[in-house]
Amino acid sequence: DAGVTQSPTHLIKTRGQQVTLRCSPKSGHDTVSWYQQALGQGPQFIFQYYEEEERQRGNFPDRFSGHQFPNYSSELNVNALLLGDSALYLCASSLVAHKVEDTEAFFGQGTRLTVV
Amino acid sequence: AQTVTQSQPEMSVQEAETVTLSCTYDTSESDYYLFWYKQPPSRQMILVIRQEAYKQQNATENRFSVNFQKAAKSFSLKISDSQLGDAAMYFCAYRSVPLASRLTFGEGTQLTVNP
Repeated sequence: DAGVTQSPTHLIKTRGQQVTLRCSPKSGHDTVSWYQQALGQGPQFIFQYYEEEERQRGNFPDRFSGHQFPNYSSELNVNALLLGDSALYLCASSLVAHKVEDTEAFFGQGTRLTVV
Repeated sequence: AQTVTQSQPEMSVQEAETVTLSCTYDTSESDYYLFWYKQPPSRQMILVIRQEAYKQQNATENRFSVNFQKAAKSFSLKISDSQLGDAAMYFCAYRSVPLASRLTFGEGTQLTVNP
């Protein structure tokens, strides 16, 4: 059973460019959340997708956008990249369920984005 | 908004010894979930243990246990019989009860295990 997979693993972009990160959720999961983890800090919630719609959003500018496809996979897009966008981007998948043990979030290994 | 604070940026422990990592949180909610996650150098977050706030009994998973003090809003992780493989960054996290709510993380504690 494949867990959460993210691509690419590493990426280097120039300021002002646009980037797309991809995430495939764990089999059976229907919800994808994205987090930004700056070096030496805890992950910060960006947004969450369920049923192909953005359901929750953290305190991130509109330069950060996303999409969820019918197969539950997701993309994170960042426009007009800034040096401060350099971070590890984590994707977590989960299932909308009533038992908390069924709603555990599983994380991918992340995409390391460096903006130069 | 909820906040999570980990006041120990770094901790170290001798192999086979016991170590406790601290976490405090702030919330106005009466029911919620608390988690400890481990992030090794591979970067993948791994769930270590979960505590449901309505449960008075502290959660235990093998060598890992928590001390949950709801009134004090404190949630510490105890690792017994520490192993070299326990070395990692540990994050405390909070989640509201509504289905698929976001996780709010603390700043993390880097745990070193000395042989």
